Amino acid sequence: QVQLQESGPGLVKPSQTLSLSCTVSGGSVQRIGSYWSWIRQYPGKGLEWLGHIYYSGTTYYNSSLRGRVTISVHTSTSQFSLRLSSVTAADTAVYYCASGIQAAGMSNWGQGTLVTVSS
Amino acid sequence: DIVMTQSPLSLPVTPGEPASISCRSSQSLLQSNGYNSLDWYLQKPGQSPQLLIYLGSHRASGVPDRFSGSGSGTDFTLLISRVEADDVGVYYCMQDLQTARTFGQGTKLEI
Repeated sequence: QVQLQESGPGLVKPSQTLSLSCTVSGGSVQRIGSYWSWIRQYPGKGLEWLGHIYYSGTTYYNSSLRGRVTISVHTSTSQFSLRLSSVTAADTAVYYCASGIQAAGMSNWGQGTLVTVSS
Repeated sequence: DIVMTQSPLSLPVTPGEPASISCRSSQSLLQSNGYNSLDWYLQKPGQSPQLLIYLGSHRASGVPDRFSGSGSGTDFTLLISRVEADDVGVYYCMQDLQTARTFGQGTKLEI
């Protein structure tokens, strides 16, 4: 059973870069067919997909983020990460990491971490 | 991007009764292999979302058979045959036909 755990600062200043990590246990980020995602949820609102990275290293991002997002995998530490640059108060949200295998949906989710953008 | 539209947005239910949630996509989610690229998730209060259904009608591991998914193309339904108190939360559909995933607005199920 894959387990995911987000970590990172809970407070980020405007114009700075938000950086979060997701630690993977019980599975490998290199498992064939796997993908590793970031999703966020504004307070009291719905879910927004930010992007994901496949086991092969191929990445896909939400175009609405206009190039501000980067997702990377770190095999040596069994983690994958999210970097969101030039943040504003509009980026304040709960950030989830999630994973899945091929077309079988995102079956594993972290517990989520609240990131507040404020000076 | 594919737009996902759910209805209703709020669904009061009585325990033991069935409940149905609709999800429509702005374009067909039917793949050439006959599968639909549509997932259902449940976010219980204070928790992370959890996968219920993938490929339109396949129950995820550990999901009770009270939950079923149906539909094809652009119209999909999540049916709970007999609602239990533990089923409360917000239900989301999500398309994964395109690499840019998109979610529905969510349907809040209340008892």
